[in-house]
Amino acid sequence: EDQVTQSPEALRLQEGESSSLNCSYTVSGLRGLFWYRQDPGKGPEFLFTLYSAGEEKEKERLKATLTKKESFLHITAPKPEDSATYLCAVQAKGNTPLVFGKGTRLSVIA
Amino acid sequence: SAVISQKPSRDICQRGTSLTIQCQVDSQVTMMFWYRQQPGQSLTLIATANQGSEATYESGFVIDKFPISRPNLTFSTLTVSNMSPEDSSIYLCSVRGGSGTSSNEQYFGPGTRLTVT
Repeated sequence: EDQVTQSPEALRLQEGESSSLNCSYTVSGLRGLFWYRQDPGKGPEFLFTLYSAGEEKEKERLKATLTKKESFLHITAPKPEDSATYLCAVQAKGNTPLVFGKGTRLSVIA
Repeated sequence: SAVISQKPSRDICQRGTSLTIQCQVDSQVTMMFWYRQQPGQSLTLIATANQGSEATYESGFVIDKFPISRPNLTFSTLTVSNMSPEDSSIYLCSVRGGSGTSSNEQYFGPGTRLTVT
C-alpha cells in the first residue's frame, strides 16, 4: 500500500530562519511526488511535481528535492506570509489517485 | 492552470437531509476527483468522477451515500445524502489533465465547508 509520512507535524520558525520539511514515502513505482500549500479555509495550492531522484524545483523561497525514499521542501529565509500547511502527495505509475500525507503546519513569526 | 469554482462555499445542514455540491472548471479536464478533509486531517479521496459513466469509489465510500454526476468535461456534482454530524468536513473538487492543465499537475477548488447539526 502506498504511504506518505510527513515530519514534523508542526514547525515554528522565526522570520529569516531557514529550515526543511520532510516527506517520506513508499510507493509501488513512483510516477510523481507533489507538494501543495494550504491556507486555512482554502483548497490546496499546487507548488511542484517531482518525478525522479535527484530532481530539484524552486519557486521563490521554496526548493523541493527528491530521493528514492523521501522529498524535502527547503524554505530559505521564510517570511510570515509563508505560514501555511504544506502537503505532500505521491502518485504511483498509471493514472492512479494521489495519496496524501497529513501535512506540516508551518508558522513563521516576525 | 485550470480555475475551479465550487458552490456552495459553505453550508449548515440538518441531520438527515442531503446537500449537492457543484464543481465548475473553466476548461475541459480529463479527470475530476472529489476529496474530503475532516477537521485537522489530510485529504481523503472519495471518488473519481467519470464522464458519462458511474463514478469510481474508494474503499469506505459508497454511491448511495455520495452520488456523483459528471455530465461533461467541465462540471461535476457530489451529493452528501442522509447527513449526520460525522459528515461535517470540507469537500474539495480536484482536476487533472485536459486543455487547461498538464496531466502531471493536479489542482483543487476552494472547497465547500459543510457543518451538519
